Amino acid sequence: EAGVAQSPRYKIIEKRQSVAFWCNPISGHATLYWYQQILGQGPKLLIQFQNNGVVDDSQLPKDRFSAERLKGVDSTLKIQPAKLEDSAVYLCASSPRRGEVDFHDYEQYFGPGTRLTVT
Amino acid sequence: TQLLEQSPQFLSIQEGENLTVYCNSSSVFSSLQWYRQEPGEGPVLLVTVVTGGEVKKLKRLTFQFGDARKDSSLHITAAQPGDTGLYLCAGAAPKWGNEKLTFGTGTRLTIIP
Repeated sequence: EAGVAQSPRYKIIEKRQSVAFWCNPISGHATLYWYQQILGQGPKLLIQFQNNGVVDDSQLPKDRFSAERLKGVDSTLKIQPAKLEDSAVYLCASSPRRGEVDFHDYEQYFGPGTRLTVT
Repeated sequence: TQLLEQSPQFLSIQEGENLTVYCNSSSVFSSLQWYRQEPGEGPVLLVTVVTGGEVKKLKRLTFQFGDARKDSSLHITAAQPGDTGLYLCAGAAPKWGNEKLTFGTGTRLTIIP
């Protein structure tokens, strides 16, 4: 089974520029997450999709961040314009959705992440 | 807001020693997961504990979920250099809520050969 794919792996941009990240989840996983991980900290959820609908985007800075998941498969996360404090690793994760909610639904499979440096 | 605090934040020990890391919260979770993250990679799921008081073993790693389902511990016996990494606990919201994980602050473990 192929894992979660993300690209690019690294990106360096100047502040006020825009950037986009791409994620392809594990086949058949209905739920997709984007996290921001500052160096040395735990991941912070930015947005959660269930199929192509947004379930939770309460911590997404909507003035500069946007995300979409067309057709309920791939997803893109965009930052426009970037700020210095956006320097972080952006992780994408997916989880399965079974017929009834059980603890397996919460198990997440992560991609390798995109390391963003804003100068 | 559900918060998970992990301790210690950093731990550096010699190969062959034993260690325990802790994950504590004031909130109750329906399940709790432990992940290990190596540099340049995403977190990898190690185990999920569901029942209060549950103990799970994964080779030299022993995971325990607190009786009240508010805390957890990870014990490593005879640590190896391959155990080096960032250990993250993550609690799942109650069943009737959203399927959202709250990640802990992390414990960065270094095993010295």
